This record gives sequence, structure tokens and C-alpha cells, in this order.
Amino acid sequence: AQSVSQHNHHVILSEAASLELGCNYSYGGTVNLFWYVQYPGQHLQLLLKYFSGDPLVKGIKGFEAEFIKSKFSFNLRKPSVQWSDTAEYFCAVQLNRDDKIIFGKGTRLHILP
Amino acid sequence: DGGITQSPKYLFRKEGQNVTLSCEQNLNHDAMYWYRQDPGQGLRLIYYSQIVNDFQKGDIAEGYSVSREKKESFPLTVTSAQKNPTAFYLCASSNGRAPSTEAFFGQGTRLTVV
Repeated sequence: AQSVSQHNHHVILSEAASLELGCNYSYGGTVNLFWYVQYPGQHLQLLLKYFSGDPLVKGIKGFEAEFIKSKFSFNLRKPSVQWSDTAEYFCAVQLNRDDKIIFGKGTRLHILP
Repeated sequence: DGGITQSPKYLFRKEGQNVTLSCEQNLNHDAMYWYRQDPGQGLRLIYYSQIVNDFQKGDIAEGYSVSREKKESFPLTVTSAQKNPTAFYLCASSNGRAPSTEAFFGQGTRLTVV
């Protein structure tokens, strides 16, 4: 069965630290890749997406992610985090064969002011 | 406004009763999804539908049923066979065509079974 693994369940960083959240998926076919963010008490919103082309994609609020096909990975990065980045982050994979979208278990990010 | 509407926001039911959660979208999206969100479990896929009159089981379909009679609507029934129905349920839709294939989410329904 297809799956998405997020390596870190809970990350605590100080402001201005660099961030990298890991995401790996298990599926051999063509996929679209997403990172979503859920701020406390709010809806899920899209941070960035990859569907083709340049494997390094930039999203909102200074986030970026790199798709490495050979490693089935789509890690999220931000060079300098802010207190307002405190949220839960979800990696998701859409299977092109049937539009199925599966999510990882999420990473809770806590930024210390 | 275009979007996804889930109703109600909070729902209470007695154990053993079936309950139906509503999801309507006016984004003209072909694909629709139901997820269940539990702390530490992320979003788990219950059912999804690529087109009208067609749907597929997700990873945790047991105890749930859906229908897709209209493009705009994808109701989810939580049956009495679902062993642990208390959860936060999210509906989403997607147009399924690059570059805009991402899922858009509703505000969710929190179901409590007592």
C-alpha cells in the first residue's frame, strides 16, 4: 500500500534557526507532491506543491521544498524560522493514476521566541 | 464565495446511531475526498471519488459509506459499525488537473458519539 512518512513528529526550534522537515513516500508511479500547514485553530492551507519541472519549488512565507525522485523524498526547508511558523505541517502525495491523495502523520513545529 | 462547506461544525450522536456528514463544493471540482484527523495520526483517507457516481475506498473505509450522485456533493455516513467514530472529519476537493491539483479543505465536522 502507498504511504507517506514524516520523520519528525515534534520539532522545537528557536527563532532564526534553519528548518528542514523530512518526507518520504512509497509509490513507484507518477505523483504530485504537497506540503500543507495547519495553524492553531485554522484550516489546512497549501504551502507549496510540485507536479513537474524544477524539483526545487518555492512556496508561501519563505518555505521551499526539493523533490528528489531517486530517494522518493520531498523535504521542506526554511532558512530562518519565525515564531509565527508555529503550526503542524503535513506532507501529502497525490497518485496521478487515480487522484488519490494520502497524507503523512504530520510534524508539530514549535518556535521559541 | 467559492469553497467547500461542511455541516454541521459540531455533531453529537448516541452510540449505535448512523449519522451523515454533509460536504458541498461550488468549485466545479471533479474529485472529492473524506479524511479523518486524529491527534498524532495525521489525515487518514476514508473514501474518495474521482467523478460523479464513482468512489473508492481509502485506507480506513470500514464502518463508513459515501455516495456521489451530484458533482457538488459527497456526503459521508458514519455507521454503527464504526468502532471509534468520535473524531474530526475533513472533506476536500480537487480538480485533478495539473497545475492545480491540490486539495481544498472544508472547515471540518467534529463528531462526538456518546
